[in-house]
Amino acid sequence: KQEVTQIPAALSVPEGENLVLNCSFTDSAIYNLQWFRQDPGKGLTSLLLIQSSQREQTSGRLNASLDKSSGRSTLYIAASQPGDSATYLCAVPDNTDKLIFGTGTRLQVFP
Amino acid sequence: DTAVSQTPKYLVTQMGNDKSIKCEQNLGHDTMYWYKQDSKKFLKIMFSYNNKELIINETVPNRFSPKSPDKAHLNLHINSLELGDSAVYFCASNLLAGEQFFGPGTRLTVL
Repeated sequence: KQEVTQIPAALSVPEGENLVLNCSFTDSAIYNLQWFRQDPGKGLTSLLLIQSSQREQTSGRLNASLDKSSGRSTLYIAASQPGDSATYLCAVPDNTDKLIFGTGTRLQVFP
Repeated sequence: DTAVSQTPKYLVTQMGNDKSIKCEQNLGHDTMYWYKQDSKKFLKIMFSYNNKELIINETVPNRFSPKSPDKAHLNLHINSLELGDSAVYFCASNLLAGEQFFGPGTRLTVL
């Protein structure tokens, strides 16, 4: 049974820092991995989808990497801003395309 | 021009009532999902529909029933509501094996 874990559970950093969020999964037979952002009381916003054939995917200040063999993905946020404060979730699909979510990393970036 | 929309955004009701949540997507996707986010913010799949056929039915109570009048809509009906049903319910959609897009959520409170 696929299990997804995110470390750290919470992170508080000053504005301008580069930071790394970690996601690990137990079953490496995935075909993609998706990173989401959730603001308090809001829905999920898709940030990046990285296919199993890719090693990384970039969108603006965000870079996601994927190492299937080790069951790990990282989300790198460059030059963090207060507007980046949110909960970040990673998710992997099982063989029926349903997403298995991690428990999330709650990020706070203070001015 | 919202991609995935849900109504209502908030739903407050008494135990024992029957209620429905509606979801619509205008992305031309062929698969739609319902997820539940509990009080601890953990997201878990409930149902998915592909071309009007139920393809996943997680171990949710049969008081919950998804209904899809067409490919763009997946509604969630809940009978005999219980206190434990209080949660945020998210609708999502994708093309098979593709990026999933989420609606803004419906916060259900059962009194």
